[in-house]
Amino acid sequence: DAGVTQSPTHLIKTRGQQVTLRCSPKSGHDTVSWYQQALGQGPQFIFQYYEEEERQRGNFPDRFSGHQFPNYSSELNVNALLLGDSALYLCASSLYATSTDTQYFGPGTRLTVL
Amino acid sequence: AQKVTQAQTEISVVEKEDVTLDCVYETRDTTYYLFWYKQPPSGELVFLIRRNSFDEQNEISGRYSWNFQKSTSSFNFTITASQVVDSAVYFCALSELTGTASKLTFGTGTRLQVTL
Repeated sequence: DAGVTQSPTHLIKTRGQQVTLRCSPKSGHDTVSWYQQALGQGPQFIFQYYEEEERQRGNFPDRFSGHQFPNYSSELNVNALLLGDSALYLCASSLYATSTDTQYFGPGTRLTVL
Repeated sequence: AQKVTQAQTEISVVEKEDVTLDCVYETRDTTYYLFWYKQPPSGELVFLIRRNSFDEQNEISGRYSWNFQKSTSSFNFTITASQVVDSAVYFCALSELTGTASKLTFGTGTRLQVTL
């Protein structure tokens, strides 16, 4: 049973560039959530996708956008990168967006902005 | 707004010692879920346990046990006879169901270092 997968593992970008991170949910899951984890902090909720729609958004600017595909995989896009966007980006999947089903996390993508 | 506080930033113990990680939460919801996740150096958050607000029965699973007290808004986690492999950052999290979505609010984590 495949768990949550994310790509790439590491990424280095410069300020002003754009980046796309990818996530495939655990088999059987239909809901994907994205979190940003700065060094030494707990993960912060970015947004959640279910049925290809953004259902809830955390306190992040519009530079952060996402997409969910019919196969439930998801992308996180960040435009106009800032130094402060350097973080571990975690994807989590769960079974239903309308329940408090357990969210299972992938290994993360570590983004470094220079 | 929901809030999770993990006052212990870092704990160091010697192998085989028992250790308790504290978690205090704030919420206005009457129905909610609490979670503990473990984050080893690899970075992946590993799910450990989930409890709902109606179930205050404490649980033991192997070397792990959890103490949920609604009256004090606490959800503490104990490792008995700690091992070096338990070294990791442990996060307590609270779920929030908002309309058609759910999100987790995490504490800042407690780094556990187990040495020989």
